[in-house]
Amino acid sequence: DIQMTQSPSSLSASVGDRVTITCQASQDISNYLNWYQQKPGKAPKLLIYDASSLETGVPSRFSGSGSGTDFTFTISSLQPEDIATYYCQQFDDLVALTFGGGTKVEIK
Amino acid sequence: EVQLVESGGGVVRPGGSLRLSCAASGFTFDDYGMSWVRQVPGKGLEWVSGFNWNGGNTAYADSVKGRFTISRDNAKNSLYLQMNSLRAEDTALYHCARGSSSWYGTFDFWGQGTLVTVSS
Repeated sequence: DIQMTQSPSSLSASVGDRVTITCQASQDISNYLNWYQQKPGKAPKLLIYDASSLETGVPSRFSGSGSGTDFTFTISSLQPEDIATYYCQQFDDLVALTFGGGTKVEIK
Repeated sequence: EVQLVESGGGVVRPGGSLRLSCAASGFTFDDYGMSWVRQVPGKGLEWVSGFNWNGGNTAYADSVKGRFTISRDNAKNSLYLQMNSLRAEDTALYHCARGSSSWYGTFDFWGQGTLVTVSS
């Protein structure tokens, strides 16, 4: 199975800060990568698909980049409502879809 | 409005069986791939099983292969997960998730989940 290594596992930042999360795949997955946001007690929500495409209705402060094995998710200006856990997920291998371990984002 | 509502969770003894259901509404169910994804409370996400709009290309995580069976009834707009030979490590919140297209690789809508507890 393709392993997805996400870092950091948690971070604390101030409102307005730029936040960056990385995700590394154990093999080349082209751009077959998604990012999800999960708020406490809620179901996950798709934010970014195909590594860099913004899902409809998602604020433009969220963005994604990368291809191959290295990917980055960025919140350009952290807002209080962005407190959540963020997950990357690869879909290059459709018989074994895998997620990163998650990054918990908190306000400093 | 897209809605996915899971049901069928509960407490079951190790070795037992359970059948989960997911009722879909607000979209043309038979146009989309579907998956089950589980989450141990407080932990990360684990994909369990998925298939395409017509039930083809069915796949399972190694951890459930041979024990779980995914199915769908397009006439009833419903997704199912038959879980047999349950183990303590299957304890989790089980979400159904819609694929963003006829394939199931990207999950664009999720249900709130149904909790399965395997315990003696």
